Amino acid sequence: NAGVTQTPKFQVLKTGQSMTLQCAQDMNHEYMSWYRQDPGMGLRLIHYSVGAGITDQGEVPNGYNVSRSTTEDFPLRLLSAAPSQTSVYFCAAGEGEKLFFGSGTQLSVL
Amino acid sequence: GNSVTQMEGPVTLSEEAFLTINCTYTATGYPSLFWYVQYPGEGLQLLLKATKADDKGSNKGFEATYRKETTSFHLEKGSVQVSDSAVYFCALILNTGRRALTFGSGTRLQVQP
Repeated sequence: NAGVTQTPKFQVLKTGQSMTLQCAQDMNHEYMSWYRQDPGMGLRLIHYSVGAGITDQGEVPNGYNVSRSTTEDFPLRLLSAAPSQTSVYFCAAGEGEKLFFGSGTQLSVL
Repeated sequence: GNSVTQMEGPVTLSEEAFLTINCTYTATGYPSLFWYVQYPGEGLQLLLKATKADDKGSNKGFEATYRKETTSFHLEKGSVQVSDSAVYFCALILNTGRRALTFGSGTRLQVQP
């Protein structure tokens, strides 16, 4: 029972590079979301999806794109990385008390 | 808008000490309230929840009571253990509209033997 799987666990990028953070769930939840965690700021919602083919912006969407072609997968794309995007990123599936988090991706942008 | 305010950490306690982590909230509607815990190197896990005023959530010896009159949801534990060392997040979700969690900034707890 994998739950929510995020890859990679660690990544270092140079400014301007692009990359995709992968997220997959095996719990068949319609609702999936991406958060970033920064010191002293808790978790902030980047993007979320209420089902395949439907995505919407959260609190801090700028610089990030998402798509949801299947129920299982919800990748997060950085098209041109900036140092301000250095953070820990968490993917989650479900909502409210049925919210399950992945183990996170630690991203550094130099 | 909605917001959650937690006491700043780190909170450092000796084993078997009493723990209180304060949490207050503002919300445009009637929220459900949660405490999440994050152990080192892991994602967040739900610790406890309360969905209406005067409800008490409890789990693993931790308790929190939904106080609508003071808009608070303070986390307490009577006797902490070293294994409780983690970061604790208070959060809310509105029961209508977009069901996305709003988190507090987190409070790091360090329990020393």
